[in-house]
Amino acid sequence: GAGVSQSPRYKVAKRGQDVALRCDPISGHVSLFWYQQALGQGPEFLTYFQNEAQLDKSGLPSDRFFAERPEGSVSTLKIQRTQQEDSAVYLCASSLPILLTDTQYFGPGTRLTVL
Amino acid sequence: AQTVTQSQPEMSVQEAETVTLSCTYDTSESNYYLFWYKQPPSRQMILVIRQEAYKQQNATENRFSVNFQKAAKSFSLKISDSQLGDTAMYFCAFMKKIQGAQKLVFGQGTRLTINP
Repeated sequence: GAGVSQSPRYKVAKRGQDVALRCDPISGHVSLFWYQQALGQGPEFLTYFQNEAQLDKSGLPSDRFFAERPEGSVSTLKIQRTQQEDSAVYLCASSLPILLTDTQYFGPGTRLTVL
Repeated sequence: AQTVTQSQPEMSVQEAETVTLSCTYDTSESNYYLFWYKQPPSRQMILVIRQEAYKQQNATENRFSVNFQKAAKSFSLKISDSQLGDTAMYFCAFMKKIQGAQKLVFGQGTRLTINP
C-alpha cells in the first residue's frame, strides 16, 4: 500500500506565525512518531502516539509545540509563534508493532523555514 | 540515556569498491535493536538493515552487511560493490527492545558519496 505521506513538503513562515504540519501514516499502523531534523544532523525524537493516545512527548522543545492524533490515524504537529530556531525538517514515521518488532517507516518530511 | 556516535562525517569511494561506515553506541540496556537508515538527497529515510542485539549472527541484506560487536558496542555497515545509487546520508540508530513501540535514537550521520 501507500507509504507515509506528509504535507506540505515545504513551508515558509514569518517569525511569530503559527504553522500546522500533517502526517498520514501507513494504513493500519498503530504507532506514529514525530522527529525534528536540523540541517546536517540526525533526526531527534519529538513525540509518539499509540492510536490516539500521546504516550511520550518528552522531546517537544517547548510549549509552543503541540501534536495531536484525534482519530488514531492522521496526525498534526502544530508550532505556535514560530522562531528561527524552529527551522528544520520535520519527519513523521509510523510502525505496526507486532510482538516486539518495530521497524519505523518514514515520510518525506516537511522542510520548515522561519524567516 | 542512550547515545549513538558516527565518527565519520563524510566518506567517498569509487563505484564498485567496498566501504565500511562506523557506529558506536552507549547503553545500559541488554535487549535492543540497531538499525542503519539511508537518506538520499530526496530526503525519504529508508531502512537498510536491522540487527537484534541477542542474535550473534550478523545481519545481511544483499550488498549490505553489518559487523556487530556487542561487547565493544560497535555496529558498522559494510557496503559491497558500491553503486552510484548508494550515495546518501547514512544514519545509525538504536531502539530499546521492550513491549510496544519505542523511539529511535540516531547518530549524526555519515555522508557517503560514490564516484563514477
